[in-house]
Amino acid sequence: GNSVTQMEGPVTLSEEAFLTINCTYTATGYPSLFWYVQYPGEGLQLLLKATKADDKGSNKGFEATYRKETTSFHLEKGSVQVSDSAVYFCALRGQGGSEKLVFGKGMKLTVNP
Amino acid sequence: DTAVSQTPKYLVTQMGNDKSIKCEQNLGHDTMYWYKQDSKKFLKIMFSYNNKELIINETVPNRFSPKSPDKAHLNLHINSLELGDSAVYFCASSMTQNIQYFGAGTRLSVL
Repeated sequence: GNSVTQMEGPVTLSEEAFLTINCTYTATGYPSLFWYVQYPGEGLQLLLKATKADDKGSNKGFEATYRKETTSFHLEKGSVQVSDSAVYFCALRGQGGSEKLVFGKGMKLTVNP
Repeated sequence: DTAVSQTPKYLVTQMGNDKSIKCEQNLGHDTMYWYKQDSKKFLKIMFSYNNKELIINETVPNRFSPKSPDKAHLNLHINSLELGDSAVYFCASSMTQNIQYFGAGTRLSVL
């Protein structure tokens, strides 16, 4: 079945540091890929997405590129802020009409001033 | 104005009790979901309804029974609560094949 493997934290960075969160997936065909973010005490929010190979999703300074050849969708941000402290989830939705989102285990990021 | 709202936000109860969590969405979506997030933040889908019909039913004990009275509501009833049911339960909604929007979660603690 479909699965998502992502870096597990927790990770602590200083403000303005570079962030990479690795995410790889296993799926047949061409799934859609997502990054969701969960701020403390809140539900998940979509951060960015990509629906086909080589697409780049971007939002709030975060970027991720859908790499079919390496089955990866790594999340990057050049300069993190304290307000980026949250749990980040990589997820996929399989090709072919499935509504089911499969999530990675989530990675908690803390950014210190 | 809340797009996906769940009640209650916190639920503390004794083992063996029966409880319900309600979810409502005002986005006009046709699909709704229940997810369970465990203490390690792992998130897994439990159920999904499309136009009031069950379309996803993961391996969940039959003590859990979702009910969708209409497209805007998906409630979760849990019978005979067990310690292992303690978790955060998230409701979500979407239009078919589109982005899922999540509620703020219900933290269930079974004592």
